[in-house]
Amino acid sequence: DAKTTQPTSMDCAEGRAANLPCNHSTISGNEYVYWYRQIHSQGPQYIIHGLKNNETNEMASLIITEDRKSSTLILPHATLRDTAVYYCIVGGAQKLVFGQGTRLTINP
Amino acid sequence: GAVVSQHPSRVICKSGTSVKIECRSLDFQATTMFWYRQFPKQSLMLMATSNEGSKATYEQGVEKDKFLINHASLTLSTLTVTSAHPEDSSFYICSAPWGGSGANVLTFGAGSRLTVL
Repeated sequence: DAKTTQPTSMDCAEGRAANLPCNHSTISGNEYVYWYRQIHSQGPQYIIHGLKNNETNEMASLIITEDRKSSTLILPHATLRDTAVYYCIVGGAQKLVFGQGTRLTINP
Repeated sequence: GAVVSQHPSRVICKSGTSVKIECRSLDFQATTMFWYRQFPKQSLMLMATSNEGSKATYEQGVEKDKFLINHASLTLSTLTVTSAHPEDSSFYICSAPWGGSGANVLTFGAGSRLTVL
């Protein structure tokens, strides 16, 4: 599976959009980009995934660059409950390997 | 949506005893489940892939005789930590894939926190 690079930590003000970047320059053609988050002491929660096109759901938007070497997760109106570790993972149809993720802190 | 239930959520045991953790897919069938372990302030580490009706596949460095996995039905996988020691204390999380053609979207259990005294 391709490796991802994410900033260790980020801060965002409540009510603002949180933009979390992820680099995955070694992604292969059939690998998806997945985003999960983990709130302290809980199991990870699925957020969104995509292959080539940008995606949006009720939680977030995923912007994937045309060359697919990087992506950005956007939480449009961050709330305090969005404070968590966010994991960007690339993979195919089998197991997913987690990196270190980005610790996002939403400040009041 | 798909729900994975884990039990127990917390367990404390004495050193040398064995502990069983159950992972159930509640509203879908899972021929494959994944077991992860997470130490404090670290990321999730994949331990093994549980396969219904066949042997589990273990990641490099994970002792298969230490961490016994049984996937006896399409909705249940169990992880047994045998002869547990304090260094086995960790947060154990299972997951199962659902939906999506080509995509492996995982739904995770709430995790089981094991403390070995």
